Amino acid sequence: DTGVSQNPRHKITKRGQNVTFRCDPISEHNRLYWYRQTLGQGPEFLTYFQNEAQLEKSRLLSDRFSAERPKGSFSTLEIQRTEQGDSAMYLCASSKTGSTEAFFGQGTRLTVV
Amino acid sequence: AQSVTQPDIHITVSEGASLELRCNYSYGATPYLFWYVQSPGQGLQLLLKYFSGDTLVQGIKGFEAEFKRSQSSFNLRKPSVHWSDAAEYFCAVGAGRDTSGTYKYIFGTGTRLKVLA
Repeated sequence: DTGVSQNPRHKITKRGQNVTFRCDPISEHNRLYWYRQTLGQGPEFLTYFQNEAQLEKSRLLSDRFSAERPKGSFSTLEIQRTEQGDSAMYLCASSKTGSTEAFFGQGTRLTVV
Repeated sequence: AQSVTQPDIHITVSEGASLELRCNYSYGATPYLFWYVQSPGQGLQLLLKYFSGDTLVQGIKGFEAEFKRSQSSFNLRKPSVHWSDAAEYFCAVGAGRDTSGTYKYIFGTGTRLKVLA
């Protein structure tokens, strides 16, 4: 068990570019979550997957955001046409079904310039 | 509306002193409550959680928290702080639940703890 892994750790991109982040959950964890954390704020829920099914999406997840978990293992979060307001830490977490404890990765810090 | 309030943005304590971090929540049903800690460059680590039963819960690293329904509070305490406790602390309520567990957390804005040697 190596924990939740997120790549890249840091990403700097120009406004208008597309970016994609990857999350590898703890093996056998069938639930996977994405959160966004801006400076001075707590993490905010974006979306979550039960296996490969995306079961809920927050209103924060605009049309420019898309998340996938094609085989129920790793997940990707893509942001199209990035804006400066997208600058944040994107956190991934995973848990076993039936568990109330989610394990968080170290996050991907996105800076849009 | 479901929410979590952490009224203290920053707290500074001396090493060896006691600590209490405040958390108030707003939730319609019986809350599932959590405290997480985030060190610089690290992800969130669960310190402790409350679902039901004994209102005083023990966690890792010597932390404890007390659930007080009448005050809608879930304050985190530690009797003697160590320099390594310097970090940011987040209180959260489990806002989304289904038969398979909690899937959505609402976090407070966090309290940054500084420890003086």
